[in-house]
Amino acid sequence: ETGVTQTPRHLVMGMTNKKSLKCEQHLGHNAMYWYKQSAKKPLELMFVYSLEERVENNSVPSRFSPECPNSSHLFLHLHTLQPEDSALYLCASSQHDPSGGASTQYFGPGTRLTVL
Amino acid sequence: SQELEQSPQSLIVQEGKNLTINCTSSKTLYGLYWYKQKYGEGLIFLMMLQKGGEEKSHEKITAKLDEKKQQSSLHITASQPSHAGIYLCGADIRNYGQNFVFGPGTRLSVLP
Repeated sequence: ETGVTQTPRHLVMGMTNKKSLKCEQHLGHNAMYWYKQSAKKPLELMFVYSLEERVENNSVPSRFSPECPNSSHLFLHLHTLQPEDSALYLCASSQHDPSGGASTQYFGPGTRLTVL
Repeated sequence: SQELEQSPQSLIVQEGKNLTINCTSSKTLYGLYWYKQKYGEGLIFLMMLQKGGEEKSHEKITAKLDEKKQQSSLHITASQPSHAGIYLCGADIRNYGQNFVFGPGTRLSVLP
């Protein structure tokens, strides 16, 4: 398996369910990201794990909870979501340069989430 | 207002025609990236530009970075139906790679 993989590819859940999205990168990168892509809106960065530090977008509701057990795996735990959370959730990874250089992000295929 | 703007929002061209998509930043660019996305799928990395005046090509797609104008253009020569999709520009607007933003995208349709 190469690149960035995401499972499941499609998920339908009720507002009271708890589910998790999984991302795995096989590129040896040290940073991983969660993005949300809603219809007619730009991509929104939700969370970043870089060199074991977590950076989060303060506008992301607490019903989204990330977990990064190691540099290759990233989870997004979902609970009591709302219909407006329906979107494509994209995972990405990159090799973060501590000296400040720009780094390319490589994306997974995404998980299409529908909240009923 | 958004930090990255793209124009046009959508574009329909006849196969074989050339086209240009623009991306403009309201902040200093430390790296500018172009991606292509098929509907409902992940992003495919096309190229990265870091230095002013830099120009890169990938098959029939060429991108340039004008650092002074904080702008990048993506040019497709002799478009084909396989070029159809959404083109997104993304940028590091700080130099630690943490503050990464995307433009709203340009939807390209190529008519055979």
